[in-house]
Amino acid sequence: GQQVMQIPQYQHVQEGEDFTTYCNSSTTLSNIQWYKQRPGGHPVFLIQLVKSGEVKKQKRLTFQFGEAKKNSSLHITATQTTDVGTYFCAEENQGGKLIFGQGTELSVKP
Amino acid sequence: DTAVSQTPKYLVTQMGNDKSIKCEQNLGHDTMYWYKQDSKKFLKIMFSYNNKELIINETVPNRFSPKSPDKAHLNLHINSLELGDSAVYFCASGRDGYEQYFGPGTRLTVT
Repeated sequence: GQQVMQIPQYQHVQEGEDFTTYCNSSTTLSNIQWYKQRPGGHPVFLIQLVKSGEVKKQKRLTFQFGEAKKNSSLHITATQTTDVGTYFCAEENQGGKLIFGQGTELSVKP
Repeated sequence: DTAVSQTPKYLVTQMGNDKSIKCEQNLGHDTMYWYKQDSKKFLKIMFSYNNKELIINETVPNRFSPKSPDKAHLNLHINSLELGDSAVYFCASGRDGYEQYFGPGTRLTVT
């Protein structure tokens, strides 16, 4: 069935280091969304990518959508302790259903 | 004002009991969802309602029954609770093709 693979599952970084999480799909995606869930919190929408090769930035966060629309990445430059949480990618199928990746849990050591 | 609210935030109950979780959104969205997040943080959709009509019904035991009295509310009733039902349940709302807004979650613990 439809599945989005997300890696790595965990990432521990020193504050100031960069961080990247990747999502891959075996099928072409119509769009991809990214969410962040802080510890004990709920998923919060970050961004949606729609176009092939699209790159969007939000301050230290850079989101990319692959040319073939089968993969996506989220890169954080110079991580801070406030970046701690689990980052999820999610694809939307034609039925409007969001299929979430497994998530990447980021911990940042000050 | 809270966009998507859920009650209760915590729910501890014994096996075999029946419980309900309530959800309300004030965003004017037509579509509401229920998700289950397990101990490994995997988020899986359970149900989706569009304007009070059931749209998505994943492979969920029929002990779980959603009810939407109006498009701003989507409640989840669970019969005969089992240990494996322990999880965090999130309600969400949104419009097709756009982002979803999640409630704060209900942590259900079945003992």
